[in-house]
Amino acid sequence: LAKTTQPISMDSYEGQEVNITCSHNNIATNDYITWYQQFPSQGPRFIIQGYKTKVTNEVASLFIPADRKSSTLSLPRVSLSDTAVYYCLVGEFSGYALNFGKGTSLLVTP
Amino acid sequence: DSGVTQTPKHLITATGQRVTLRCSPRSGDLSVYWYQQSLDQGLQFLIHYYNGEERAKGNILERFSAQQFPDLHSELNLSSLELGDSALYFCASSGNLGQGSLEAFFGQGTRLTVV
Repeated sequence: LAKTTQPISMDSYEGQEVNITCSHNNIATNDYITWYQQFPSQGPRFIIQGYKTKVTNEVASLFIPADRKSSTLSLPRVSLSDTAVYYCLVGEFSGYALNFGKGTSLLVTP
Repeated sequence: DSGVTQTPKHLITATGQRVTLRCSPRSGDLSVYWYQQSLDQGLQFLIHYYNGEERAKGNILERFSAQQFPDLHSELNLSSLELGDSALYFCASSGNLGQGSLEAFFGQGTRLTVV
């Protein structure tokens, strides 16, 4: 998997939009960008994946610029329950090691 | 519910002992991954099995070993336990090794406490 860099922590108030950016300068042509969410004492949960441009689902949006060297996970109108660690992974497929790194710890407060 | 089952949920054991953690992947998934997560640490990848064969190894200690059985369930064996082995151990499963997806499904974990 390509090396990724993301902020260690972020704070937000309820109701705001949160954008978490991940840098992946060495992304390869066949790599996909995937984000996971992990609540305390629970296993990570896949939330979104994309290859280029923009992907949106019921949970989040993923913005990927043309050069694909970074990506931004956007959480609209966060609530307290969005407090979690968010991991960015970049790779071609899950066939080998899924290395999560330390992720971004998001704290949402009232 | 991810469809991945880990047992036991909690385990308390003494130093020097040996334990076995079990993982049943989602129906049809051929890949099983094991992870260790200590307090304030990220997810540390331990090992990956695909259809019974070891595919990748992470920072897994020599005291730890794993296997995947013909029915695709997997076991992680931890021996000569030390206090520092206390952690949450997660298992994840995914489908085939095809391109285009890094989606894996995680179990709820086994919390191991070594005293």
